[in-house]
Amino acid sequence: KQEVTQIPAALSVPEGENLVLNCSFTDSAIYNLQWFRQDPGKGLTSLLLIQSSQREQTSGRLNASLDKSSGRSTLYIAASQPGDSATYLCAVRGTGNTGKLIFGQGTTLQVKP
Amino acid sequence: DTAVSQTPKYLVTQMGNDKSIKCEQNLGHDTMYWYKQDSKKFLKIMFSYNNKELIINETVPNRFSPKSPDKAHLNLHINSLELGDSAVYFCASSSTGAAGGYTFGSGTRLTVV
Repeated sequence: KQEVTQIPAALSVPEGENLVLNCSFTDSAIYNLQWFRQDPGKGLTSLLLIQSSQREQTSGRLNASLDKSSGRSTLYIAASQPGDSATYLCAVRGTGNTGKLIFGQGTTLQVKP
Repeated sequence: DTAVSQTPKYLVTQMGNDKSIKCEQNLGHDTMYWYKQDSKKFLKIMFSYNNKELIINETVPNRFSPKSPDKAHLNLHINSLELGDSAVYFCASSSTGAAGGYTFGSGTRLTVV
């Protein structure tokens, strides 16, 4: 049974810092891994999607890496800004035909001005 | 706008009532999902439909009944609402196959009083 864990659960940093959010999963048989952002009281916004054959994806100040064999992914945020404050969710899609996503508990990030 | 849209955004109702949440996607995806986000912000899949056929039913009480009139719509009907049903319900869609990322709706906050 796939389990996804995100560390840390919460993180507070001063503006301008580079930071790394961690995600680990127990079953390496995945199709892809997706990072989402959720603002308080809002829906989920997709940030980056990494296919199982890929090692990383980049979008602006965000870079996500994937090491499928070790069951790990990281989300790197460069030069953090107060607007980056949100909860970041990691989710993996298994190789079964259901296509369901298994989510981690999320990391709540606060970037202080 | 291409999106996953769900209505209503907020729903406050008394215990014992029956309510429905509607979801529509115009992304051309063939699979739609309902996820529940509990008070601890954990997201868990409830149902999945692929081309109008149920493919996932994750031990959800049978008071919850999804209906998919076509592959662009997936509605959720809940009978005899209970206090414990209070949560945020998210609709999502994706395409079959490894490359498909998920797109989520903005959520419906259900409060049962």
